[in-house]
Amino acid sequence: TQLLEQSPQFLSIQEGENLTVYCNSSSVFSSLQWYRQEPGEGPVLLVTVVTGGEVKKLKRLTFQFGDARKDSSLHITAAQPGDTGLYLCAGGGSQGNLIFGKGTKLSVKP
Amino acid sequence: DTAVSQTPKYLVTQMGNDKSIKCEQNLGHDTMYWYKQDSKKFLKIMFSYNNKELIINETVPNRFSPKSPDKAHLNLHINSLELGDSAVYFCASSHENTDTQYFGPGTRLTVL
Repeated sequence: TQLLEQSPQFLSIQEGENLTVYCNSSSVFSSLQWYRQEPGEGPVLLVTVVTGGEVKKLKRLTFQFGDARKDSSLHITAAQPGDTGLYLCAGGGSQGNLIFGKGTKLSVKP
Repeated sequence: DTAVSQTPKYLVTQMGNDKSIKCEQNLGHDTMYWYKQDSKKFLKIMFSYNNKELIINETVPNRFSPKSPDKAHLNLHINSLELGDSAVYFCASSHENTDTQYFGPGTRLTVL
């Protein structure tokens, strides 16, 4: 069974701080995705990483895919209150579905 | 333009009732999905449909049935609702054989 372990589960920081969220698995994934979900809305895709060792940047967000394609990280530089939300990593399942981690609830206080 | 839409946004109903949630996508995708998000925010796949064919079906009760009248719609029918069915249900869509999925805004189902 493919599982994705996400950590930390909760993160509360001050505006301007940096943070890293981790997504780990014992299984190899063909790709991993990061979604952000705000209250009352559906998950919104932030990025898809496909190649082992790949690094993608989206403004202050940096995403990395592990060399073995079993793990990924999301690093946010100088977090802002607008970054507050639930961050979900997801990997492609063997039958076309997405397997989600349990999410990291981020709160950035002004 | 809304890419993936769901109705209703909120659904409150009594135990034992039968209800449906509708989903429509205007992205031209050929695969649609239903996910359930529990109170701890864990998202789990329920069904996916590709060209009117059910291609995966997780261990969900047979009270739940997806119905796809055409490629742009995948509705979720639930019979004999139970308290444990209370959750947020998300519809999503994608192109075949791609991992990138686009999600609807969710339907919060509350069974009393």
